[in-house]
Amino acid sequence: GAGVSQTPSNKVTEKGKYVELRCDPISGHTALYWYRQSLGQGPEFLIYFQGTGAADDSGLPNDRFFAVRPEGSVSTLKIQRTERGDSAVYLCASSLYGLEDEQFFGPGTRLTVL
Amino acid sequence: AQSVTQLGSHVSVSEGALVLLRCNYSSSVPPYLFWYVQYPNQGLQLLLKYTSAATLVKGINGFEAEFKKSETSFHLTKPSAHMSDAAEYFCAVRATGNQFYFGTGTSLTVIP
Repeated sequence: GAGVSQTPSNKVTEKGKYVELRCDPISGHTALYWYRQSLGQGPEFLIYFQGTGAADDSGLPNDRFFAVRPEGSVSTLKIQRTERGDSAVYLCASSLYGLEDEQFFGPGTRLTVL
Repeated sequence: AQSVTQLGSHVSVSEGALVLLRCNYSSSVPPYLFWYVQYPNQGLQLLLKYTSAATLVKGINGFEAEFKKSETSFHLTKPSAHMSDAAEYFCAVRATGNQFYFGTGTSLTVIP
């Protein structure tokens, strides 16, 4: 079956612009996670959704970052006033019910802020 | 606080040799521990996980890991390396709360 997909695969933007990154989880998975992976680092937790609600958004670095999951499936990570330090690979993962289950990761979106 | 330390950002082994990738964690409560693998141009894939059952956990592709509470370690091993094992390996921990903490990764090279 289809895995987790993320679009776009690559995004280049200019400093100060707004970007949206999309995640399509595996159908039927109620839990969804966003991570950020900088070069040479492991994934860094950003936010965890259970259904439509953000169960834990404590990993979002500041108020320029926001994520939604209005219908409990597709999620969008939104970054306002992008900065060069936001450049990273943004990973999305989903799991069937929650934190006890295996997370299935998408291939990521590589964001480059010039 | 919870954290994960992976010793050795790069490990090289000969084909057929033992693979040992080290992971140490810090956690104030019994943790859930995971190993993920990332092949080139692919997403992270779960190798195995420890959830307080048996301390020796067997995963996919012949990998296993042993939870040692006294050493706060969860090292990954495989008796005989294959060329197809070349990848980036990440150890992760989840203790309290909703967050997963990943290590910085170990890149495994297999020499023919």
